[in-house]
Amino acid sequence: RKEVEQDPGPFNVPEGATVAFNCTYSNSASQSFFWYRQDCRKEPKLLMSVYSSGNEDGRFTAQLNRASQYISLLIRDSKLSDSATYLCVPYGGSQGNLIFGKGTKLSVKP
Amino acid sequence: EPEVTQTPSHQVTQMGQEVILRCVPISNHLYFYWYRQILGQKVEFLVSFYNNEISEKSEIFDDQFSVERPDGSNFTLKIRSTKLEDSAMYFCASSRGQVTNEKLFFGSGTQLSVL
Repeated sequence: RKEVEQDPGPFNVPEGATVAFNCTYSNSASQSFFWYRQDCRKEPKLLMSVYSSGNEDGRFTAQLNRASQYISLLIRDSKLSDSATYLCVPYGGSQGNLIFGKGTKLSVKP
Repeated sequence: EPEVTQTPSHQVTQMGQEVILRCVPISNHLYFYWYRQILGQKVEFLVSFYNNEISEKSEIFDDQFSVERPDGSNFTLKIRSTKLEDSAMYFCASSRGQVTNEKLFFGSGTQLSVL
């Protein structure tokens, strides 16, 4: 089983749409989880951390289900600038060993 | 917002040559990392560095790779004898504390092309 599995997409949505991404991870010992976004050929940038109780940051909501080893990201009212690849990133348990998946590509169209 | 800076942005080298990729982490950060991303693939962890020594390294980080913090500001990745499969974008990153508690800041990367 891959360490991190995500639907590669692309998800093509109109502006204003709500879109959800899912991710499963294999390491049950992972304690911390993050969503990063990566624009084409750019560095990953932290979007938000994912907390056990779920958390929201503006238009973005993250959920964690430890029992199912499943993380989700919901984006409401999509903007053109949200077009990017979204990376689900569990923390591997060591210093700096973030485990990146290949990500889900989102394309928001006018 | 403070930045991690990497130089050069692009590096072309011949197979078998040594390359040094340079990074200036954010000044008050204590943890430093190198990641790489082969075109079309996922971002992969190479090595983490803290208190002037390697904290952890991946299987990718073999004897051909080394890291150094030669002074108080630079953090370098050396590839001793480059191979074609070393062609990738190399990202340096730093954090103030352990990544469970502190945000990881990535530099904009060095695109390494081995011919």
